[in-house]
Amino acid sequence: QQQVKQSPQSLIVQKGGISIINCAYENTAFDYFPWYQQFPGKGPALLIAIRPDVSEKKEGRFTISFNKSAKQFSLHIMDSQPGDSATYFCAASTRVQGAQKLVFGQGTRLTINP
Amino acid sequence: DAGVIQSPRHEVTEMGQEVTLRCKPISGHNSLFWYRQTMMRGLELLIYFNNNVPIDDSGMPEDRFSAKMPNASFSTLKIQPSEPRDSAVYFCASSLGPALWETQYFGPGTRLLVL
Repeated sequence: QQQVKQSPQSLIVQKGGISIINCAYENTAFDYFPWYQQFPGKGPALLIAIRPDVSEKKEGRFTISFNKSAKQFSLHIMDSQPGDSATYFCAASTRVQGAQKLVFGQGTRLTINP
Repeated sequence: DAGVIQSPRHEVTEMGQEVTLRCKPISGHNSLFWYRQTMMRGLELLIYFNNNVPIDDSGMPEDRFSAKMPNASFSTLKIQPSEPRDSAVYFCASSLGPALWETQYFGPGTRLLVL
């Protein structure tokens, strides 16, 4: 059962534009929402994360918007650059048997055209 | 730090053979995770260790899969016997501890192809 739904599957944005990736979750027990960035041939790497007690978190050009009532969160990449071209995964974490358990979305392949 | 180290980086084997994937977590990290990534199913958590003890193995697909962590600096994921549907990229990740907000650091992955 897919617990985190991510869209779109792929996204093409012009250099300098805004990239927006959306995720929705069902399990209200999720209590931490990280985004991971993955380049071809590499493992995912944490990009930015948010806890549900805040509605927005910004780090440089990357912003997470979080809507707890709608059970949705999104990643905004401002002034998108060709180096941002990668696959992005949203994730949600909950505690299972006292330990962190991450559930990932299906991923979004982002291409920034120069 | 060298980060999470995985070996081998690539593995090609024939159906029915035993496959062993290896992982060295970041020194000082107490939690270790094994994930599998496929186009169809995305990133799936297979098993999680905390302080070398398996905590949650509900993601292990079948009895053909087993994982061990004999000490804080080494873990293995074994598939015996392997099947073509096991072809995937297997990632090992580690984190400082089990807290929800602890960052999981992923290794480069092992790309497994079972013929």
